Amino acid sequence: QVHLVESGGGVVQPGGSLRLSCAASGFTFSHYGMHWVRQAPGKGLEWVAFIRYDGSKQSYADSAKGRFTISRDNPKSTLYLHLNSLRAEDTAVYYCAKEGDFGDYLPYWGQGTRVTVSS
Amino acid sequence: DIVMTQSPDSLAVSLGERASITCKSSQSVLYGSNNKNYLAWYQVKVGQPPKLLIYWASTRESGVPDRFSGSGSGTHFTLNISSLQAEDVAVYYCQQYCRTPTTFGQGTKVEIK
Repeated sequence: QVHLVESGGGVVQPGGSLRLSCAASGFTFSHYGMHWVRQAPGKGLEWVAFIRYDGSKQSYADSAKGRFTISRDNPKSTLYLHLNSLRAEDTAVYYCAKEGDFGDYLPYWGQGTRVTVSS
Repeated sequence: DIVMTQSPDSLAVSLGERASITCKSSQSVLYGSNNKNYLAWYQVKVGQPPKLLIYWASTRESGVPDRFSGSGSGTHFTLNISSLQAEDVAVYYCQQYCRTPTTFGQGTKVEIK
C-alpha cells in the first residue's frame, strides 16, 4: 500500500535552512504529482508547494515563493522541500501528500515532520 | 486565490445525532467541461495526518463509513455526519482543487455534547 515517510525536520534558527525529504513506496512515484502541506501549531492546513509527476512544473504558496524549493528524484522515489531564510512563522508540521488519480485531492499523507524556527 | 469559508468554527453534537458543516467558496469550483465540483473534505484527529473523506464534493473515499456524506455544487457545500460516533471527534477541513493554489477552509472542530 501507499507509504509516505517524511524526515529532515528539526529546530533551526531564524534565517537558517533545512531540507525535508519524503520517501515514497507502494505506488509508481514517477506517475504522480506531489504536494507539501503544513500545519502550524493550533492552526489549519496550509498548502505549501506542488511538483508535477515529471518535475517539469512547480508551484508555490505566496508564503513559500523565493524561499522554498520543491524537487523530486524519481529513481529514488523521493520528494524534497528545501527551506531557506526560515522565519518563526514557518514553524509547523510539514506533510507530503500524493495527488489523487484524477485530481489534486489528497488521498495519501505522510505522518509529517516537525520544523521549529526559534532562536 | 479562492477563499474557502467554513461554518461553524466549532460544534458540539450528541452521540448518534447529525452533524453538518458548511463550506463556501469565493468562486465556483464547478468545472464546466466535466461538470465536476473540485471540492474535498478531510478529517484531522489530534496527532494524526489528515484523512481524505470525500472528493468531487460527494464521492466517498474507499473505507470511509457511509455516515459521512458530501453534497453541494458551485460555491456551497455541506459535509454531513448522519450519526455522530465518539471516533468522529476531529477537525474537518474542506479543500478546493479547482485552481492553483489549492486552498483549505479554516476548519470546523466537532466535539461530543
